[in-house]
Amino acid sequence: QQPVQSPQAVILREGEDAVINCSSSKALYSVHWYRQKHGEAPVFLMILLKGGEQKGHEKISASFNEKKQQSSLYLTASQLSYSGTYFCGTEGGGDYKLSFGAGTTVTVRA
Amino acid sequence: DAGVIQSPRHEVTEMGQEVTLRCKPISGHDYLFWYRQTMMRGLELLIYFNNNVPIDDSGMPEDRFSAKMPNASFSTLKIQPSEPRDSAVYFCASSPRGTGLQTQETQYFGPGTRLLVL
Repeated sequence: QQPVQSPQAVILREGEDAVINCSSSKALYSVHWYRQKHGEAPVFLMILLKGGEQKGHEKISASFNEKKQQSSLYLTASQLSYSGTYFCGTEGGGDYKLSFGAGTTVTVRA
Repeated sequence: DAGVIQSPRHEVTEMGQEVTLRCKPISGHDYLFWYRQTMMRGLELLIYFNNNVPIDDSGMPEDRFSAKMPNASFSTLKIQPSEPRDSAVYFCASSPRGTGLQTQETQYFGPGTRLLVL
């Protein structure tokens, strides 16, 4: 079942912060975050594992609340290069498959 | 190292024609995934292979779609006959291990094939 992402879109100015949320109706083993720029392939950002720690990438970090079956991606002091569509992929049953959310489009303006 | 390679990058065809999309995974990766991306449905998993064996094809929309992986370095996704609603970007991704069971492996996506069926 597809996870739900919110918001659908966000517009930021350089240096501003944003939070993207990902919720699942199923228990999760892991959450994977990807960023896709227009016309390109999704690019891996980070993985959060059940029982694992929060992992970061540049000024992008994330958290995973297993009990609430939710993950959040934090964009801190956003840069122009952060623009793109962010997807969360959730793995729920150890079946080696990811279900992707509909994506959150982030636009960072100068 | 070369990443996942897909061909063609763009394909325009007419309804009813056969379409074959090709993928070369990253060497040494055991898992290969085929996805379809559209504005309406987002990123959908069609099928995935482990060591060249199809494991889950529950996402394949219809019998018109078929996928094969004859060896560790090559996979095809075929649509026969193609229809306008098949127009989408098709991604192939590979992973050194399964992304399940709390592994730390992720999927590496190819550049995609943009398919337009007229």
